[in-house]
Amino acid sequence: AQSVAQPEDQVNVAEGNPLTVKCTYSVSGNPYLFWYVQYPNRGLQFLLKYITGDNLVKGSYGFEAEFNKSQTSFHLKKPSALVSDSALYFCAVSQGGKLIFGQGTELSVKP
Amino acid sequence: DAGVIQSPRHEVTEMGQEVTLRCKPISGHNSLFWYRQTMMRGLELLIYFNNNVPIDDSGMPEDRFSAKMPNASFSTLKIQPSEPRDSAVYFCASTFTGSSTDTQYFGPGTRLTVL
Repeated sequence: AQSVAQPEDQVNVAEGNPLTVKCTYSVSGNPYLFWYVQYPNRGLQFLLKYITGDNLVKGSYGFEAEFNKSQTSFHLKKPSALVSDSALYFCAVSQGGKLIFGQGTELSVKP
Repeated sequence: DAGVIQSPRHEVTEMGQEVTLRCKPISGHNSLFWYRQTMMRGLELLIYFNNNVPIDDSGMPEDRFSAKMPNASFSTLKIQPSEPRDSAVYFCASTFTGSSTDTQYFGPGTRLTVL
């Protein structure tokens, strides 16, 4: 069975510092990986996805993610965090068109 | 373009009542997904449709839950009778083809509270 894990329930970062939100995956076959963000009382918003090709994927709002096959990871990164990036972040793997989500990581960016 | 539309945004009901959640997918999208979000279980897929046909309903908790998609622009998720443990946020999402590489676009969700 395919799965993703987000090892950190919460990540705290100071504004202006780089941020990383971690995700590891377990899949059979090609991994199709996604990152979504959820702001309070809102739906999930798509940030980026890895399908094939370049291991560094760029997405919305200055976010990027690095696919690492040997470490089975797909960490979300941003060079300089903003207070407005504070939200809940979900990593997901697609299996037969269905998204299987990690448990989510709460990102808190303090001024 | 309008995104995925869900109604109602909030629903409070009493145990035993019937609840109907509604979803309008993005125009032109052929696949529709219903998810449920709870603190205990996180985000989980309940059912998904492709070209209005249910493809996988293995995530539907029990017979109290049913979903329909009578046409390409409308779907319902019904709970009858509702129970307090059904309290959750229910999301609808849609995508063009339903393939593994397609991006799913989510609606704002319906927050259901069953008293």
